[in-house]
Amino acid sequence: NAGVTQTPKFQVLKTGQSMTLQCAQDMNHNSMYWYRQDPGMGLRLIYYSASEGTTDKGEVPNGYNVSRLNKREFSLRLESAAPSQTSVYFCASSATFGANVLTFGAGSRLTVL
Amino acid sequence: KNQVEQSPQSLIILEGKNCTLQCNYTVSPFSNLRWYKQDTGRGPVSLTIMTFSENTKSNGRYTATLDADTKQSSLHITASQLSDSASYICVVSRYTGNQFYFGTGTSLTVIP
Repeated sequence: NAGVTQTPKFQVLKTGQSMTLQCAQDMNHNSMYWYRQDPGMGLRLIYYSASEGTTDKGEVPNGYNVSRLNKREFSLRLESAAPSQTSVYFCASSATFGANVLTFGAGSRLTVL
Repeated sequence: KNQVEQSPQSLIILEGKNCTLQCNYTVSPFSNLRWYKQDTGRGPVSLTIMTFSENTKSNGRYTATLDADTKQSSLHITASQLSDSASYICVVSRYTGNQFYFGTGTSLTVIP
């Protein structure tokens, strides 16, 4: 059982470059989320998709865009990367929106120089 | 303001010893509280969930407690093992708004 799969695991970008983080889940979950994790801070919600076809901003959406490609896939795009976006990014999913258990991917470590 | 605070920030214990991690929250209205374990380089994995009516719940060597009146939870680890070395994150859900509130975590290191 793969659960939540994220790619790439590591990425180094230069300021101004763009990239897309990919996420896929195989649990038939309706809701998907993107979080970032920075030292000394709790996980912060960037964007979420409560169900296929919908996306909404979370706590820290600036500089990011998302696409819920289908029920399985939810991508996060950085259009013009900035050093402040250096972080570890986690994709998560839940059976329904606000369901009390999140299943997380292994994370994507992004460094912006 | 809805917040979740964890203590201590980090902890080092000898293998075989017990330890207790704390979580205080101000999230309201409270729905449930979940403890996650995050191994280095991995995503968080759920350990246990506490609802309003539950005081204690065990999962193997992990025992979580909840005092909804004082808005405090603890995670007690018994007979620690090297594999317990990880970050433990407390996550509180609101009854309305479908939001999760994350603590900053306690980093536990178990040494031989």
